Amino acid sequence: GAVVSQHPSRVICKSGTSVKIECRSLDFQATTMFWYRQFPKQSLMLMATSNEGSKATYEQGVEKDKFLINHASLTLSTLTVTSAHPEDSSFYICSARTANGEQYFGPGTRLTVT
Amino acid sequence: SQQGEEDPQALSIQEGENATMNCSYKTSINNLQWYRQNSGRGLVHLILIRSNEREKHSGRLRVTLDTSKKSSSLLITASRAADTASYFCATRTENAGNMLTFGGGTRLMVKP
Repeated sequence: GAVVSQHPSRVICKSGTSVKIECRSLDFQATTMFWYRQFPKQSLMLMATSNEGSKATYEQGVEKDKFLINHASLTLSTLTVTSAHPEDSSFYICSARTANGEQYFGPGTRLTVT
Repeated sequence: SQQGEEDPQALSIQEGENATMNCSYKTSINNLQWYRQNSGRGLVHLILIRSNEREKHSGRLRVTLDTSKKSSSLLITASRAADTASYFCATRTENAGNMLTFGGGTRLMVKP
């Protein structure tokens, strides 16, 4: 099956710094990529949807200036958490969708802000 | 926003027993999918059932879909300790841009 990778798998950063998370579709081209956030023992909440070459569409309540999404190519999307705070600590999961609508998930990135 | 509500939120059973998890949703769907997530790990796709299907099987998994009640169930038969995980339903809705929307999840613990 199709593979989606995320890097890094874990990151610890200090409050006020920025962190970039990469999401790559390894063996297919992703017309659309999604970023989800998951708090402990909770479900996945969609943060934003991005299409290659265009601006991301953010869900209500998600600050676009804080969570910068770049979908520069059909195989790469990045999420940058700017000026991170402890409350941004979470599990971030990306997902990539193929042209025929199949959606594949990355393994997730655990962000801890100290 | 979450489309699905899952029931129960947590389930603890003994190895060998069957586990049933339910998912209800609010709007019309194209398909409904079940995923598994081990603690702190990514999602694993288990099974997809389309809106015109009523039941699907995959190994020890059985999924039903009742579109009139807007509900689905996931049955795991002869559970094993390795089935311990969180299980999520997710719906794909045309009106929502074909996005996947996840339910709250059921945390299943299978005791050896």
